[in-house]
Amino acid sequence: AQSVTQLDSHVSVSEGTPVLLRCNYSSSYSPSLFWYVQHPNKGLQLLLKYTSAATLVKGINGFEAEFKKSETSFHLTKPSAHMSDAAEYFCVVFSWGKFQFGAGTQVVVTP
Amino acid sequence: DVKVTQSSRYLVKRTGEKVFLECVQDMDHENMFWYRQDPGLGLRLIYFSYDVKMKEKGDIPEGYSVSREKKERFSLILESASTNQTSMYLCASSLDWDEKLFFGSGTQLSVL
Repeated sequence: AQSVTQLDSHVSVSEGTPVLLRCNYSSSYSPSLFWYVQHPNKGLQLLLKYTSAATLVKGINGFEAEFKKSETSFHLTKPSAHMSDAAEYFCVVFSWGKFQFGAGTQVVVTP
Repeated sequence: DVKVTQSSRYLVKRTGEKVFLECVQDMDHENMFWYRQDPGLGLRLIYFSYDVKMKEKGDIPEGYSVSREKKERFSLILESASTNQTSMYLCASSLDWDEKLFFGSGTQLSVL
């Protein structure tokens, strides 16, 4: 069985400082991994996808994620937060025909 | 641009009513999904379909059924709505197995 654990339900950062959103997964086989973002009152949007081609994946809006098989982690980072990054972020694992979503991390960006 | 359209943004129903949530995609995608989103629980898969006439149960199918008579349309049915089915319902589609999901804007259902 697969599962996804987002280690922080809320993260608060100051504008211009780094953002780290933590995600651990469990899966019987090598999964496909994703990060999605949901801005207030907007639909979910794909940030990036891990396809096993490279362990460091670059996404949109300056985000990137690193796949670490030994730690079963897929943490999302951004070097410098912007006010527009305030949103909810979901880590997702795809395995055996199903997408499994984490519980989400709410990001607050303060000026 | 790719589009997944959910018929209603907000819906209010009474306990015991039969409720239909409609979803249409214009991308000729094979795969369609229904999720519900609740605070602190993320998105949970209700049902999915990999082909017309085919449907598979997700993680929380109890109290729901689905219909996919045409490739572009995937309907979620609440046979007898209950208050614990008050939630945001999200429809999604994808071109292939583990490809990007395209989401609709959601239907906020309140069951009173």
